[in-house]
Amino acid sequence: GAVVSQHPSRVICKSGTSVKIECRSLDFQATTMFWYRQFPKQSLMLMATSNEGSKATYEQGVEKDKFLINHASLTLSTLTVTSAHPEDSSFYICSARDYRPGRRAFFGQGTRLTVV
Amino acid sequence: AQKITQTQPGMFVQEKEAVTLDCTYDTSDQSYGLFWYKQPSSGEMIFLIYQGSYDEQNATEGRYSLNFQKARKSANLVISASQLGDSAMYFCAMREGLWNAGNMLTFGGGTRLMVKP
Repeated sequence: GAVVSQHPSRVICKSGTSVKIECRSLDFQATTMFWYRQFPKQSLMLMATSNEGSKATYEQGVEKDKFLINHASLTLSTLTVTSAHPEDSSFYICSARDYRPGRRAFFGQGTRLTVV
Repeated sequence: AQKITQTQPGMFVQEKEAVTLDCTYDTSDQSYGLFWYKQPSSGEMIFLIYQGSYDEQNATEGRYSLNFQKARKSANLVISASQLGDSAMYFCAMREGLWNAGNMLTFGGGTRLMVKP
């Protein structure tokens, strides 16, 4: 079964509104979570690395004020797309890394965001 | 049925040797894309190489090449001259449909590659 739950799987929102996406690790603690955006031909692009209890580290070119990331607990990180525009329409995927040494990261199911 | 199958859960390779990581896929779409990613112990996914279903030549990116055999539905990753830093998990992924259709990637189970000095 899924070890990382991402919600919602699909969301349609109006331009100018904000959308929150949740990423939960179900049976492990994740001190680090990653947020990716999927572009059609360019595949997955890392947006930011989220560390529990501290500020996220954003990749170059990713707007911090537009893509707000909160990692308030060891099992939950959220990505909020603020003032969404049609060009923000994409798949957003999280992955969570089990904090125990030698454990790998697991992907969430992804969220398809459509901004109309 | 599994869309993406990676049959090698773990592999060893000697440093400086070449290694092939297997990937087979299953789709009825004529248009699709195949991707390989590297996931080091730090956890993030690093894009390595892409092959489109209509690309006639095998994709190459530095030491990485993709052995694309469309009739067999396989897209094996070849890493030449392995380096210690290549030790990581490797994931094969597929996007079905046209590149601008916004379809999600489907990932295989991954192969853990360990490079021996």
